[in-house]
Amino acid sequence: KNEVEQSPQNLTAQEGEFITINCSYSVGISALHWLQQHPGGGIVSLFMLSSGKKKHGRLIATINIQEKHSSLHITASHPRDSAVYICAVFRNSGNTPLVFGKGTRLSVIA
Amino acid sequence: EAGVAQSPRYKIIEKRQSVAFWCNPISGHATLYWYQQILGQGPKLLIQFQNNGVVDDSQLPKDRFSAERLKGVDSTLKIQPAKLEDSAVYLCASSLQIGAEKLFFGSGTQLSVL
Repeated sequence: KNEVEQSPQNLTAQEGEFITINCSYSVGISALHWLQQHPGGGIVSLFMLSSGKKKHGRLIATINIQEKHSSLHITASHPRDSAVYICAVFRNSGNTPLVFGKGTRLSVIA
Repeated sequence: EAGVAQSPRYKIIEKRQSVAFWCNPISGHATLYWYQQILGQGPKLLIQFQNNGVVDDSQLPKDRFSAERLKGVDSTLKIQPAKLEDSAVYLCASSLQIGAEKLFFGSGTQLSVL
């Protein structure tokens, strides 16, 4: 079983819809990243969370440490949001690497 | 601000050949990562540097992969000899320090081994 599981694997939405992508993890973590990967490979770091909630524009990320679960929400989705969204966690022991989920492929249709 | 630079963008080689990738992180970033991303999977860490020292290379296949960051700035990743299963995108990332708020990724090198 992967240490980081994302759902759904694939998601197709109509423009304007509210989107939720989920991430569950099974290890103790110090922080969690949400990343966005566009076709062609470029990856952009969206958020790093260790508790609570963060908002940037139409993107909202939440984390529940007790339940080992995080969600990424996109409000008023747009075709330019189409990308792969990847959840990654820093394990508890400081220097150890990020462990990545397999990603959620989002397609937003106009 | 200049981003993380990687080259080449694409590389096609035959199995058993050698290949090298180059990464120049953002100026001042002490931490540098090399990741391997196989199609359909999330990135897997190969090696992590803090300045010119190796922090973690536990998932680097050391019989064929090597990496260095001699002056604590740019880095090279080498595969010698390549296997078919090495076909992947190789991503370089950097951050100010370990556990920093933001990770910055390069565009990656797409390697095809025939």
